[in-house]
Amino acid sequence: DGGITQSPKYLFRKEGQNVTLSCEQNLNHDAMYWYRQDPGQGLRLIYYSQIVNDFQKGDIAEGYSVSREKKESFPLTVTSAQKNPTAFYLCASKDSNQPQHFGDGTRLSIL
Amino acid sequence: AQSVTQPDIHITVSEGASLELRCNYSYGATPYLFWYVQSPGQGLQLLLKYFSGDTLVQGIKGFEAEFKRSQSSFNLRKPSVHWSDAAEYFCAVALSGGYQKVTFGTGTKLQVIP
Repeated sequence: DGGITQSPKYLFRKEGQNVTLSCEQNLNHDAMYWYRQDPGQGLRLIYYSQIVNDFQKGDIAEGYSVSREKKESFPLTVTSAQKNPTAFYLCASKDSNQPQHFGDGTRLSIL
Repeated sequence: AQSVTQPDIHITVSEGASLELRCNYSYGATPYLFWYVQSPGQGLQLLLKYFSGDTLVQGIKGFEAEFKRSQSSFNLRKPSVHWSDAAEYFCAVALSGGYQKVTFGTGTKLQVIP
């Protein structure tokens, strides 16, 4: 079955540490997205990529970085510069004129 | 910039009762509109979408939504709620069907009581 796989499901970060969240899709979608979800705030866009080797900042990109070296992969790194990283992170992908498909998310917590 | 408002943070309905979740958007032209559902600790699942054409859209799980341009609304409805419908519901808007950003509302949490 085609879909989006996010790993790990739970992740813990120590102070000053960078962590990377994985997102892989086998839907052959061109575009991929990273969202952050906090209670009562809906989904906020961190970064998105419309094509391999290209990506754009979303609304809350500070403290995050991404890469898009392969069509199927769009990893998100939460850097030590992100002072409040505790949240639920969702990855999505889409084709043109189609809705976004979402992964099952990664919950990041601070130790 | 487009925006989405879901005025109800939390709604409680009895099983078997009808449901309407409100969504208002702000955008000059006709947007692309979506409703998603999220169970705790899970990703978002698409319920239905409106791109153009018939303003009454049918979705999965017995849900429907109606696009009303004059009211800038895209309310979600279900005639008879089941206990399994308890979840959080998100309305979303996009400027086009392309790869631009999608803006999400803050969500409505639905509780279903016996």
